[in-house]
Amino acid sequence: GENVEQHPSTLSVQEGDSAVIKCTYSDSASNYFPWYKQELGKRPQLIIDIRSNVGEKKDQRIAVTLNKTAKHFSLHITETQPEDSAVYFCAASWSGFKTIFGAGTRLFVKA
Amino acid sequence: GAVVSQHPSWVICKSGTSVKIECRSLDFQATTMFWYRQFPKQSLMLMATSNEGSKATYEQGVEKDKFLINHASLTLSTLTVTSAHPEDSSFYICSARGPGLAGVHYEQFFGPGTRLTVL
Repeated sequence: GENVEQHPSTLSVQEGDSAVIKCTYSDSASNYFPWYKQELGKRPQLIIDIRSNVGEKKDQRIAVTLNKTAKHFSLHITETQPEDSAVYFCAASWSGFKTIFGAGTRLFVKA
Repeated sequence: GAVVSQHPSWVICKSGTSVKIECRSLDFQATTMFWYRQFPKQSLMLMATSNEGSKATYEQGVEKDKFLINHASLTLSTLTVTSAHPEDSSFYICSARGPGLAGVHYEQFFGPGTRLTVL
C-alpha cells in the first residue's frame, strides 16, 4: 500500500541552527504534500504545504522542497527557536484525500 | 475561519459500552470529513473518509461495524466506537475538507481531538 517514510525520528539542534526533515512517498499519484506541527495532546497544525507543480516554497523561516522524480520532499527550518520544539509530520495525498502521514520527527531546540 | 470542533474532548468509559464523538465544521460546509486515530508517540492513521449523505469509506484493517461513521449534514460527522475495549483507547482526531475555500482546496482543518480511555 501507500507509504510515507520520514527521517530522522528525533532531531536535536542548537538554537539558531537549521533543521532538516526528509520524507519519501510511494504513491506516484500524490500531488499535495503538507507539513504539520503537533504539540503534545493538541491538534496538528499546518505549517506549510506544497503541490506537485511546484518545486520549492518558502514562508519566512520555513521552506519545503519537492523532487517528484525521486518522490522526495523535505522541510527546512532556519534560525530555529525553542518554540519550534514539537513533533513534525510530513504527509502525502491526492488532492487532500487519502492523506498518509509519516511517522513523525521529534525536534528539540536547545537554548 | 475554517474552524473544526470536536466533542467531547475526553471520555472515559467501561469496556463494552459505546461512545459517540462529534465533529463539526463551525464556519464552512464540509463535504468531506476524515477520522484519524493516534496512539501515544505515534503518527496519525487514517481510519475512514466520510462524505456527506453517503456511506463512509474505511481504510484497510478498520472494522466498519465497530467504528460507525455518520455524516448526515454538511457540518456534522459522528464516529461511534461500539462495544469499546481497552485496546480502542486512543486519541481520535477528525478533520474537514471543504469546497469553495479560495486557495485552500486541498487543506484539511483538524479538530482538537478526543482522548478515549476504555477501562
